[in-house]
Amino acid sequence: KNQVEQSPQSLIILEGKNCTLQCNYTVSPFSNLRWYKQDTGRGPVSLTIMTFSENTKSNRRYTATLDADTKQSSLHITASQLSDSASYICVVSAAYNTDKLIFGTGTRLQVFP
Amino acid sequence: GAVVSQHPSWVICKSGTSVKIECRSLDFQATTMFWYRQFPKQSLMLMATSNEGSKATYEQGVEKDKFLINHASLTLSTLTVTSAHPEDSSFYICSARDSHQPQHFGDGTRLSIL
Repeated sequence: KNQVEQSPQSLIILEGKNCTLQCNYTVSPFSNLRWYKQDTGRGPVSLTIMTFSENTKSNRRYTATLDADTKQSSLHITASQLSDSASYICVVSAAYNTDKLIFGTGTRLQVFP
Repeated sequence: GAVVSQHPSWVICKSGTSVKIECRSLDFQATTMFWYRQFPKQSLMLMATSNEGSKATYEQGVEKDKFLINHASLTLSTLTVTSAHPEDSSFYICSARDSHQPQHFGDGTRLSIL
């Protein structure tokens, strides 16, 4: 069964600190993996999209990694800001239907001053 | 680029009312649009996929007579929740894509049925 699991479920950090969120998936055959940021009451906003051949991709203070062999991804947030408080969702697509997104349950990040 | 707009952002109505939610792609032609529902602290769940000019494809367990989807143009899709009841209260999110890019999500519509 195609699944996407994220950890931790929730995370509290102080402003300025770094953090790393994890994503494990069992989706096969793999097409791509995306990280989204979803603020409360808003739609998801794409942070990164990675295909099989990409190991690392950065977007401002966000760096995503992908290990297609172990089927793991991480999202590293550097120098966190209060505005980083949100849910971060890992989403994987299978090659046989890239429109059918398989969502993780998300990590709820809270950044405190 | 790739902006998807939803309207309204929040709606409150009485039980038994039908509610229409619009999803527009503002700067690209969306060959395919998707409708999702999200309950508190849960993942987005795909309700249906619609291609312009054809009938929507509904996911298992989603009542097509309850959730009417129209995708009459390349920039507009609508979701109508017919005879809404309190259990239909949720956060409804649309997404859209063309042939060149992945799905881009709208900002969602909070539906509250009293």
